[in-house]
Amino acid sequence: DAGITQSPRHKVTETGTPVTLRCHQTENHRYMYWYRQDPGHGLRLIHYSYGVKDTDKGEVSDGYSVSRSKTEDFLLTLESATSSQTSVYFCATQMGQLYEQYFGPGTRLTVT
Amino acid sequence: AQKITQTQPGMFVQEKEAVTLDCTYDTSDPSYGLFWYKQPSSGEMIFLIYQGSYDQQNATEGRYSLNFQKARKSANLVISASQLGDSAMYFCAMRVQGSSQGGSEKLVFGKGTKLTVNP
Repeated sequence: DAGITQSPRHKVTETGTPVTLRCHQTENHRYMYWYRQDPGHGLRLIHYSYGVKDTDKGEVSDGYSVSRSKTEDFLLTLESATSSQTSVYFCATQMGQLYEQYFGPGTRLTVT
Repeated sequence: AQKITQTQPGMFVQEKEAVTLDCTYDTSDPSYGLFWYKQPSSGEMIFLIYQGSYDQQNATEGRYSLNFQKARKSANLVISASQLGDSAMYFCAMRVQGSSQGGSEKLVFGKGTKLTVNP
């Protein structure tokens, strides 16, 4: 357990509004990740970070941006939410290369 | 392309019996890692077991073992003596190198297998 929290845990928002999800970790892990989980797709990587202010895109990054201004926080922003972004969002952290990833509890986002 | 395939959308097993969940992978990298995660109905993702591509022996963790067949590119999860609490979604994942600097790594997931343990 890497001490990962996500906030909010549940959110309902309207199409076109910006939304920010927060991931906070207490283990000083270098790597952080944002995934989304949808039925029939498993988990798909949105963005990841390999250090403070160092981020890169995953396979489903369109419509999302991220920021990491300090080691413990990784923010995911939906710039203008759409119904296709209704999903469960998981944050994960990894201590270093060759280690396993640990996941936060998830955030259920509904865009109406 | 790096890809994980789980061909069993759902599996059923009787309590106390063993069950094998299939996972095949595709990668051209000589160095990779394979993971299994469990997701119960409560939603959290729980790390179960890891196998490195250069590991000579199959990984084991308690009732979980990984049947690693490198030539066949398969990494099946074996759960022995199934318990009711094993009912969950199970995801196979492969670690791949990221495209950015900093030695970044990322996981590619399969679509999962839903395991139901019957009493």
